[in-house]
Amino acid sequence: DQQVKQNSPSLSVQEGRISILNCDYTNSMFDYFLWYKKYPAEGPTFLISISSIKDKNEDGRFTVFLNKSAKHLSLHIVPSQPGDSAVYFCGARTNAGKSTFGDGTTLTVKP
Amino acid sequence: DARVTQTPRHKVTEMGQEVTMRCQPILGHNTVFWYRQTMMQGLELLAYFRNRAPLDDSGMPKDRFSAEMPDATLATLKIQPSEPRDSAVYFCASGFGGASLNEKLFFGSGTQLSVL
Repeated sequence: DQQVKQNSPSLSVQEGRISILNCDYTNSMFDYFLWYKKYPAEGPTFLISISSIKDKNEDGRFTVFLNKSAKHLSLHIVPSQPGDSAVYFCGARTNAGKSTFGDGTTLTVKP
Repeated sequence: DARVTQTPRHKVTEMGQEVTMRCQPILGHNTVFWYRQTMMQGLELLAYFRNRAPLDDSGMPKDRFSAEMPDATLATLKIQPSEPRDSAVYFCASGFGGASLNEKLFFGSGTQLSVL
């Protein structure tokens, strides 16, 4: 029973355009949602997060939107850059501290 | 620059052998997680600890896997006996536990395990 789902295994966008990565979840007990970026042969690194009481959080080119009623969140990257090419993991955390991740979306930003 | 340290980075072993992976969490962090990433798979939670106590290891095959924290600076994941299907990258992550905190995790670089 996968509680966090990233239904798009891959996404390809042109440099300068917007990248939108989506994530759905099933557990209403999640209190924080976090996005991580992973380059090959490295561990994932934290990118941006959002509390379950918020609907938007912005950090530079990265914005995360949360729609609690739909149990859906998305990561927007504007403008996309070739260096953003990586695997993006959507993660969700319960108030007990347990962090669960989706299968990841591989983003390719073409110059 | 604090980081999570995992050893070894790569491990090749034969089926049936014992494998031990080690993790040194960031000093002061009180939660430690073990994740596994296989080809074409996401991050699968195997076990996690808070203040060295195991809180959840439901994602771990109990018959062959074991996870421990002998002390606050060391977490271990053992597989005995190992099988080819265990081949994956194993990540350790640490963070500050607390229901009111934004607990972002810091990941190690992973142990690439190949069981032949």
